[in-house]
Amino acid sequence: AQSVTQLGSHVSVSEGALVLLRCNYSSSVPPYLFWYVQYPNQGLQLLLKYTTGATLVKGINGFEAEFKKSETSFHLTKPSAHMSDAAEYFCAVSDQFYFGTGTSLTVIP
Amino acid sequence: NAGVTQTPKFRILKIGQSMTLQCTQDMNHNYMYWYRQDPGMGLKLIYYSVGAGITDKGEVPNGYNVSRSTTEDFPLRLELAAPSQTSVYFCASSFTSGDTQYFGPGTRLTVL
Repeated sequence: AQSVTQLGSHVSVSEGALVLLRCNYSSSVPPYLFWYVQYPNQGLQLLLKYTTGATLVKGINGFEAEFKKSETSFHLTKPSAHMSDAAEYFCAVSDQFYFGTGTSLTVIP
Repeated sequence: NAGVTQTPKFRILKIGQSMTLQCTQDMNHNYMYWYRQDPGMGLKLIYYSVGAGITDKGEVPNGYNVSRSTTEDFPLRLELAAPSQTSVYFCASSFTSGDTQYFGPGTRLTVL
């Protein structure tokens, strides 16, 4: 069975600081991996996805994630946080029937 | 470019009442999904469909029913509403399994 673990339900960073949101998955086969973002009172939007090929995936709004099979991780990063990045972020795996519990990102001015 | 639409946006039900949450997509996607979102719990899959006439249970199907008579529509039925069904419900669709899912804006349901 597949599952997703997001470490840290709340993350706070200062504006301009590095954003790092952690996601680990368990899967017996190489998975498809996704990061979604949810702004208040909205549905989820795709940030980026990994299917096959290059392990460093670039997404929208300056976010990127690296697939590390040896660590079963797919952490999301952004070099410099912006106030508009404040939202809830969800990692999802393969057939997307499994979402992580989410990480709420707060950006401090 | 409507994408995935859901109605209603908000609803308050009394215990024991029933209702249908509507979901429509205009992208000709084969797959459609219903999730519920509770604080700190992420999204849990209720039901999904791989095409018209085909539905299957997800992780938390009890208390819900679905149908898929057309490619576009995937309504979620709540029978005998209970306070435990207070949640935000999201409908989503994708072209294939494993493809990007597109989400509707959600329905916030309160059962009192």
